[in-house]
Amino acid sequence: GAVVSQHPSRVICKSGTSVKIECRSLDFQATTMFWYRQFPKQSLMLMATSNEGSKATYEQGVEKDKFLINHASLTLSTLTVTSAHPEDSSFYICSARVAGLQPQHFGDGTRLSIL
Amino acid sequence: QQQVKQSPQSLIVQKGGIPIINCAYENTAFDYFPWYQQFPGKGPALLIAIRPDVSEKKEGRFTISFNKSAKQFSLHIMDSQPGDSATYFCAASKETSGSRLTFGEGTQLTVNP
Repeated sequence: GAVVSQHPSRVICKSGTSVKIECRSLDFQATTMFWYRQFPKQSLMLMATSNEGSKATYEQGVEKDKFLINHASLTLSTLTVTSAHPEDSSFYICSARVAGLQPQHFGDGTRLSIL
Repeated sequence: QQQVKQSPQSLIVQKGGIPIINCAYENTAFDYFPWYQQFPGKGPALLIAIRPDVSEKKEGRFTISFNKSAKQFSLHIMDSQPGDSATYFCAASKETSGSRLTFGEGTQLTVNP
């Protein structure tokens, strides 16, 4: 149980395009979802926390207009990287949990490469 | 005060050895301490977790030792196997903060055959 599916697993696109990443909880209702960014050989950096039906809370230094997060249902959150540039290339990982309960369950990540 | 310090950065052991990875935290409000295992190109997977009311927890070959007074916790992998080669992350959170996890820097473990 507690499976989180992330799609796509890999994206390569041109600079200036927008990219949408989906995160789904397959067998549980995720009241809270988290979005992380991970650079090679580094730890996970929390970008934002989203609760179903409300606006996401962004970490300091994360541009909310660039990284749009939508958590419209209890099983789906999306991260849209708008007008992506090469410096946005990274490994983006989502996680999900039920309110008041641990642990967080992670998706398998999306490798984003901006040319 | 939100940091979690993890060591060593990398670790190489022989098959059957017992690698130990250590973490230290500063925030005494943390009340949940998980360990995650991550393979290249994959998301982290929960291995084992502990709360401050116990000093040790064992699940299969993985054991967490927790020292509340020292604000330290460690992961021990018994009878390590080459398939255990991965990056390991400790983390900490407090429930009242919405359970956001603060991760350690990670330890790259290599288990040689």
